[in-house]
Amino acid sequence: GDSVTQMEGPVTLSEEAFLTINCTYTATGYPSLFWYVQYPGEGLQLLLKATKADDKGSNKGFEATYRKETTSFHLEKGSVQVSDSAVYFCALDSGGSNYKLTFGKGTLLTVNP
Amino acid sequence: EPEVTQTPSHQVTQMGQEVILRCVPISNHLYFYWYRQILGQKVEFLVSFYNNEISEKSEIFDDQFSVERPDGSNFTLKIRSTKLEDSAMYFCACAAGRGNQPQHFGDGTRLSIL
Repeated sequence: GDSVTQMEGPVTLSEEAFLTINCTYTATGYPSLFWYVQYPGEGLQLLLKATKADDKGSNKGFEATYRKETTSFHLEKGSVQVSDSAVYFCALDSGGSNYKLTFGKGTLLTVNP
Repeated sequence: EPEVTQTPSHQVTQMGQEVILRCVPISNHLYFYWYRQILGQKVEFLVSFYNNEISEKSEIFDDQFSVERPDGSNFTLKIRSTKLEDSAMYFCACAAGRGNQPQHFGDGTRLSIL
């Protein structure tokens, strides 16, 4: 079945540091890939997405590139801020009739001033 | 921006009791989902709902669970006889379509079974 593997957290960085959160996946067919973010006390918000190989999703300074050859969708940001502190979830949907999402375990990011 | 609203934000229930979690999806969305997240674990798919019927359910979604859209706006998840292991955060999600249409999530209901 489909699965998503994220790097184990927590990740602690200083403000303006470079962020990478690794994500790899296993899926049948050609999934769409997503990063969701969960700020403390809130629900899941879509951060960015990519729907086919070599697409790059980007939003709020975050980027991720759909790499079919390595089955990866790593999240990056060049300079993190304290306000980026949250849990980040990598997810995929492999289509079919329902487009249900399969999530990774989530990675807690803490950014210190 | 339109939001998905879930109520209550926190529900505490005795084991064996019935509980209903409520969701008001975005008004023109057609695809509805419930997910849950047990503390410290990944977000798991429970059920998808389209055209007034369940389109897919996971192994977790056994006979104790049911969903309905009673009035065309609310989307509810009922757990008939709660167990301790049902304690989790439950998220409602909806989408305008399939494929490129992302799912929009509510803030969740934290369910605590005593």
